[in-house]
Amino acid sequence: DADVTQTPRNRITKTGKRIMLECSQTKGHDRMYWYRQDPGLGLRLIYYSFDVKDINKGEISDGYSVSRQAQAKFSLSLESAIPNQTALYFCATSDYQDPYEQYFGPGTRLTVT
Amino acid sequence: AQKVTQAQTEISVVEKEDVTLDCVYETRDTTYYLFWYKQPPSGELVFLIRRNSFDEQNEISGRYSWNFQKSTSSFNFTITASQVVDSAVYFCALHSGNTPLVFGKGTRLSVIA
Repeated sequence: DADVTQTPRNRITKTGKRIMLECSQTKGHDRMYWYRQDPGLGLRLIYYSFDVKDINKGEISDGYSVSRQAQAKFSLSLESAIPNQTALYFCATSDYQDPYEQYFGPGTRLTVT
Repeated sequence: AQKVTQAQTEISVVEKEDVTLDCVYETRDTTYYLFWYKQPPSGELVFLIRRNSFDEQNEISGRYSWNFQKSTSSFNFTITASQVVDSAVYFCALHSGNTPLVFGKGTRLSVIA
């Protein structure tokens, strides 16, 4: 089984809908991250969390919110989806003992119509 | 601020040619890590290499090699005798301090049979 899982893997939704992307990990890591990938722009950081009580904004947090429900779970929400949030979303984890090594989930492809 | 520049947006080579992907980084930290990831058409991120700022030795892994030069802030990636399976988007990334990974915009490599 994969160490970092993301659900759903693919989602098509309509403008204005609320949607949640979920990330779970079995690596026991304390740190979790959400990135967004757009063609030609690389991956950009949306939010990150160093432990359950810690949430930090990344480069492009506007229009998104997150919830760290447990050490193993980190959810990303789009309160009112818009078409320019169509992208590939990656979750990642790392451990405080080796924070430089990030482990990525398989990605969620989100399309907002 | 940390920054990674991959000036080559797209590269196309014929199979068996050698190809070098360029990566230039910026950071004020003296301790940092550099990474290369591969993203095949299936979309997942595949970790290729991690190199810390104190280790300037070049690295070779099969057909892959990496040249790290602190003097020019570069961490270039060479594929020798390229193959069609090497076709992918390649990302260079930088990790320093408490800042999560900063990615370049990626280089799309197409290897033509």
